[in-house]
Amino acid sequence: GAGVSQSPSNKVTEKGKDVELRCDPISGHTALYWYRQSLGQGLEFLIYFQGNSAPDKSGLPSDRFSAERTGGSVSTLTIQRTQQEDSAVYLCASSLSRGLVANYGYTFGSGTRLTVV
Amino acid sequence: RKEVEQDPGPFNVPEGATVAFNCTYSNSASQSFFWYRQDCRKEPKLLMSVYSSGNEDGRFTAQLNRASQYISLLIRDSKLSDSATYLCVVLTGTGGFKTIFGAGTRLFVKA
Repeated sequence: GAGVSQSPSNKVTEKGKDVELRCDPISGHTALYWYRQSLGQGLEFLIYFQGNSAPDKSGLPSDRFSAERTGGSVSTLTIQRTQQEDSAVYLCASSLSRGLVANYGYTFGSGTRLTVV
Repeated sequence: RKEVEQDPGPFNVPEGATVAFNCTYSNSASQSFFWYRQDCRKEPKLLMSVYSSGNEDGRFTAQLNRASQYISLLIRDSKLSDSATYLCVVLTGTGGFKTIFGAGTRLFVKA
């Protein structure tokens, strides 16, 4: 697609429920990233994919968080047993490759605003 | 100490003013630097890269001071549409693969 697409744009869920967030990167972008942004905070790195593999998942805050990417394209971030502190905007970004981020930066999707009540 | 620090602001300036933001970083091995712009409830968008020699894009000038480990963004002749949060972004680590986003500086330009 023309840009990075994320769905849903907003999600309200009850504490303890599982949620799935979807990211559809720019066509041809091999690198895909998930970030989290809490109100008034900087972006917190969660996980990076190169193709379908995740060489860097160091930012996942707990084992309730997982992500996968299939076909070198769409990625899903899953949060199990959601907690109130999971409330944030989850941003997905893609780049042609990780190495080119230094030249061209990231292209972000518009994010999923997750509210856990 | 945070790896990337910015003055959160807000900076309130009148139209036409010149405003400057600084951002400091802690890792002297950092390799690439950017400024992103984030409008309220929107995603961050790349504004400009920051080169060692300094670079300009219209009303925007970015500079890097490696000795003091800071980057700056200067906006001349501010417009109402410049109102946004400006994020400082630093790449470091092996191959520049670790990206740190600052928490941002909020700018309000008033008529």
